[in-house]
Amino acid sequence: EDQVTQSPEALRLQEGESSSLNCSYTVSGLRGLFWYRQDPGKGPEFLFTLYSAGEEKEKERLKATLTKKESFLHITAPKPEDSATYLCAVNTGNQFYFGTGTSLTVIP
Amino acid sequence: GAVVSQHPSWVICKSGTSVKIECRSLDFQATTMFWYRQFPKQSLMLMATSNEGSKATYEQGVEKDKFLINHASLTLSTLTVTSAHPEDSSFYICSARDSGRATDTQYFGPGTRLTVL
Repeated sequence: EDQVTQSPEALRLQEGESSSLNCSYTVSGLRGLFWYRQDPGKGPEFLFTLYSAGEEKEKERLKATLTKKESFLHITAPKPEDSATYLCAVNTGNQFYFGTGTSLTVIP
Repeated sequence: GAVVSQHPSWVICKSGTSVKIECRSLDFQATTMFWYRQFPKQSLMLMATSNEGSKATYEQGVEKDKFLINHASLTLSTLTVTSAHPEDSSFYICSARDSGRATDTQYFGPGTRLTVL
């Protein structure tokens, strides 16, 4: 069964404390893995697309990596404004599968 | 690029009335658009997939007669909540699939907050 699992569900970090969010997937065929950021009361904001194992993408304090079974979203020296829910999704070509998200809180 | 808009951003209506929500892809053509519902502190719940020029495909448990979806053009899809009731109050989010480029990515609108009194 195709599925996407994100961990942890919630993460609290001190400002400047780097960490990683995990997205593991089991799908029949990967056409793309996506990371989104969602702030309360807003639609998800697109961050990255990754297509193949070994690929990496960076944007400011965020870096996404991909292996054959999972993706990591690394947050380096986070700031309070990085607090949000981070969603992972996988495109199999036929369907998009979403994880349930990781709620990140960065404490000043 | 890849901007999706929704209108209205919030709406309050009386029980029994119908509400229409528009979703537009502003700078790309989207043959496929998706409608999601999201409850507080929960993840996205896919309601239906709409393809331009054809009938929408609804997820199990979603009433097609209650949630009418029209995708009349490559840049516009509408969701009409018919005879709305308080239990329909929720945050509705659309997304548009940009498959015209190699990225084949979903881009989301800002969402519509519906409150039914």
